[in-house]
Amino acid sequence: KAGVTQTPRYLIKTRGQQVTLSCSPISGHRSVSWYQQTPGQGLQFLFEYFSETQRNKGNFPGRFSGRQFSNSRSEMNVSTLELGDSALYLCASSRDPGQGINVLTFGAGSRLTVL
Amino acid sequence: QKEVEQNSGPLSVPEGAIASLNCTYSDRVSQSFFWYRQYSGKSPELIMSIYSNGDKEDGRFTAQLNKASQYVSLLIRDSQPSDSATYLCAVNLNTGTASKLTFGTGTRLQVTL
Repeated sequence: KAGVTQTPRYLIKTRGQQVTLSCSPISGHRSVSWYQQTPGQGLQFLFEYFSETQRNKGNFPGRFSGRQFSNSRSEMNVSTLELGDSALYLCASSRDPGQGINVLTFGAGSRLTVL
Repeated sequence: QKEVEQNSGPLSVPEGAIASLNCTYSDRVSQSFFWYRQYSGKSPELIMSIYSNGDKEDGRFTAQLNKASQYVSLLIRDSQPSDSATYLCAVNLNTGTASKLTFGTGTRLQVTL
C-alpha cells in the first residue's frame, strides 16, 4: 500500500517567486492536511481539505493557499515568497476526520529554501 | 499560553531505562491525543493514540491520559538507542465536522549507551 507521496522533495526559490507543492494521499483517504515545520515554531497547521472543500484553516497569510482535486490529490501554493517561508512542508492524509479521531499519516515532506 | 506544551529537552536516559515524556494541553474539550516520533530529517510517524482516561500499552510504549489535569504522557520502557528521536504530542481540537491536530514543539530524547 503506497504511502503519502509529496513532490518535489527539495526546491530552492528566490524571494518574490511562487511555489506549488503536490500531495497524493493514501488510497481511500479523503482528507488531506498541510503543515509547515520550522525549527523555531515546530509543526503549524496550514489547512485541511476534505472532498475538495477547505474544512479548516490555520493562521497563515493569504499568500498560502491550497486546493484538492476529485481524486483527493492536493496542492498548496505559496505566492510572493519570503525568506521566512523556508521550511519543511508536510502533507498528511487521514481516512475520516469528521468523527473526531484524526489519525494522520505524513508524507516525507517538501523542503523549501527561499534565498 | 500555548495550546500544547512539551519540554523541549533534550531528555537523556541510559539504555534500558524508562523514558518519561510529558505533554499538557489547554483546551478542555480536546477528545483525542497522539504521540508521533520524528527522526532527524524524517517525517513524523504515529506511535500511540489514546482517547480515554487511563493507560494504554503497546509493546514498550505506554500512553497515559488524565483529562482532569489536562496532561498526556508517554513512557518508553527498556529504552534503546534507536528510540533517540523527537517525540511530538498532538491534540485533536474537535471543531465539529472538521478537526485539526495541534502539535507541541516536541521533546528530543537521547538514549545513551
